[in-house]
Amino acid sequence: DQQVKQNSPSLSVQEGRISILNCDYTNSMFDYFLWYKKYPAEGPTFLISISSIKDKNEDGRFTVFLNKSAKHLSLHIVPSQPGDSAVYFCAASFFGNEKLTFGTGTRLTIIP
Amino acid sequence: DTGVSQNPRHKITKRGQNVTFRCDPISEHNRLYWYRQTLGQGPEFLTYFQNEAQLEKSRLLSDRFSAERPKGSFSTLEIQRTEQGDSAMYLCASSMTGNTIYFGEGSWLTVV
Repeated sequence: DQQVKQNSPSLSVQEGRISILNCDYTNSMFDYFLWYKKYPAEGPTFLISISSIKDKNEDGRFTVFLNKSAKHLSLHIVPSQPGDSAVYFCAASFFGNEKLTFGTGTRLTIIP
Repeated sequence: DTGVSQNPRHKITKRGQNVTFRCDPISEHNRLYWYRQTLGQGPEFLTYFQNEAQLEKSRLLSDRFSAERPKGSFSTLEIQRTEQGDSAMYLCASSMTGNTIYFGEGSWLTVV
């Protein structure tokens, strides 16, 4: 029962271009969504989050968009930099139960 | 802010042996979480504490697994009679209630 899905295992993007990572969820009770970045042999690093009362949140080069009707969120990185190469995990939780449910991740490779 | 600290970072053990991992959360964080990650998957929730109380345990946490947080500060995760299927990265995370969850660098377990 995969409640959070990242259907693209990998993505390659040219340096300087926009990277768009997608995530779908099935549990309509989720009301808080996060993106984490992970390098090999390290723990996930928090990147950006969004509450279900918003449809967009921006932090520097990173923007997360939430489409509640479609149960879909996306992470935009612009411009993409070589240091952005990592595995990106989408995660979701709901109020009162803050444990995170993660997707399976998307490996982003930025091509110089 | 020293971040979430985990040790040991790597552990190789023979099947049937017991192992223990320690986690020191970010100071003053009242919530502490344990997750497990295997190759190609996102982190999976195991259990979490609010202060010293263990509030939720996943069905993934078999009877061979036990976690404690005796004084509401550091936590230990013990795996008894390890099996090859226990090989994974064990991630600890902490948060203040309602806030972002921050992860440690993880403890790799290899059962041979």
